[in-house]
Amino acid sequence: QLVQSGAEVKIPGSSVKVSCKPSGGTFNTYFISWVRQAPGQGLEWMGRIIPIFGRVTYAQNFQGRVTITADESTSTVYMDLSSLASDDTAVYYCARPRIAYSDGACDYWGQGTLVTVSS
Amino acid sequence: EIVLTQSPGTLSLSPGERATLSCRASQSVSSNFLAWYQQKPGQAPRLLIYGASSRASGIPDRFGGSGSVTDFTLTISGLEPEDFAVYYCQQYGDSSFTFGPGTKVDLK
Repeated sequence: QLVQSGAEVKIPGSSVKVSCKPSGGTFNTYFISWVRQAPGQGLEWMGRIIPIFGRVTYAQNFQGRVTITADESTSTVYMDLSSLASDDTAVYYCARPRIAYSDGACDYWGQGTLVTVSS
Repeated sequence: EIVLTQSPGTLSLSPGERATLSCRASQSVSSNFLAWYQQKPGQAPRLLIYGASSRASGIPDRFGGSGSVTDFTLTISGLEPEDFAVYYCQQYGDSSFTFGPGTKVDLK
């Protein structure tokens, strides 16, 4: 249901942009969240967007460093994380609820994108 | 930001036993918007419970959620071999969602 872009290797200080493309349904009426998981660690919620309203909310920990956008022409959601450091090495997931306009628990998850930050 | 605390950190049980996992919030979770997820190694999380007590689609009835306000519980009534995993709670009652640190249920 959600297909993400492939693994990335980045150097410290650079940025990464991960994409998430829903494979079915109406793309812009769903809240799409981004969640990351560092190796051996727990889940960390980063933010979410509902494209039809252009409304975006970010977690405090990522304010000013993460940008979540949607491209309606390609039905794709993007998560851009800047000023990367080694502790940003993680698997990044996009996820969405089952029901359109429903803001909350996520039934569907992407396959995850491994972002490695290393000099 | 609402901080979620999960206990215990690890629960060592045998198949067939009952598992009781706790999730406590630092402040009231609006409308009991609390979810539970299961995650196995190398896999994305799987939604089990939403709204504190409603089972997600396709989830077996041995999984049950309860609780309200700041104290929530996930109960697995009889552990199956495939239930050994890490379980996370998540609140989505606040505009900024948060996850708990997780409880690992492993084989005794």
